[in-house]
Amino acid sequence: AQSVTQPDIHITVSEGASLELRCNYSYGATPYLFWYVQSPGQGLQLLLKYFSGDTLVQGIKGFEAEFKRSQSSFNLRKPSVHWSDAAEYFCAVGALDSWGKLQFGAGTQVVVTP
Amino acid sequence: NAGVTQTPKFQVLKTGQSMTLQCAQDMNHNSMYWYRQDPGMGLRLIYYSASEGTTDKGEVPNGYNVSRLNKREFSLRLESAAPSQTSVYFCASSEESRLADYNEQFFGPGTRLTVL
Repeated sequence: AQSVTQPDIHITVSEGASLELRCNYSYGATPYLFWYVQSPGQGLQLLLKYFSGDTLVQGIKGFEAEFKRSQSSFNLRKPSVHWSDAAEYFCAVGALDSWGKLQFGAGTQVVVTP
Repeated sequence: NAGVTQTPKFQVLKTGQSMTLQCAQDMNHNSMYWYRQDPGMGLRLIYYSASEGTTDKGEVPNGYNVSRLNKREFSLRLESAAPSQTSVYFCASSEESRLADYNEQFFGPGTRLTVL
């Protein structure tokens, strides 16, 4: 079965600074990888996803993520954060033998300071 | 389009009480899901329905039942609530998921449930 680890529970970043959120997965074959964002009191919204092809994936809100098979990682980045990026971010992985079901990481809470 | 809607938004129950969480989607999606979200544990799948008329257990199904009432609606029932079921519950839907294809899941706003 697949699993996901987000090593950072909480990150504080200054507005305008760059942001990188880490995600490591465990799965024997090529996984399907996702990043979701959850604003306070809201449901989850998809930022981006990786299935195959180009390992650098562009998403909404200026986010991108890079799939590195050798490191089993799918880290999320943004060059310059905005106050509105304060939220909780979840990495998720799916697998061919798990039909449509996603395994979510524990999440990383991002706080943006002025 | 309202997307995925959930009712109620908040609920407080006493141990042993029952209740049903309602979920509806207006995107004509085939697949629907129920998750629970607990601090430090991310989202865990309770039950899912690949298509109308089918339901299957997810990672944490104990203490819950589901009904796929029709293509739009997927309800989650707690027959005898326990404090361990205090959580935030999310419903999600997606276009039909098939092997070798993962479609985006769209999430509702959640139901915050407290069991005393």
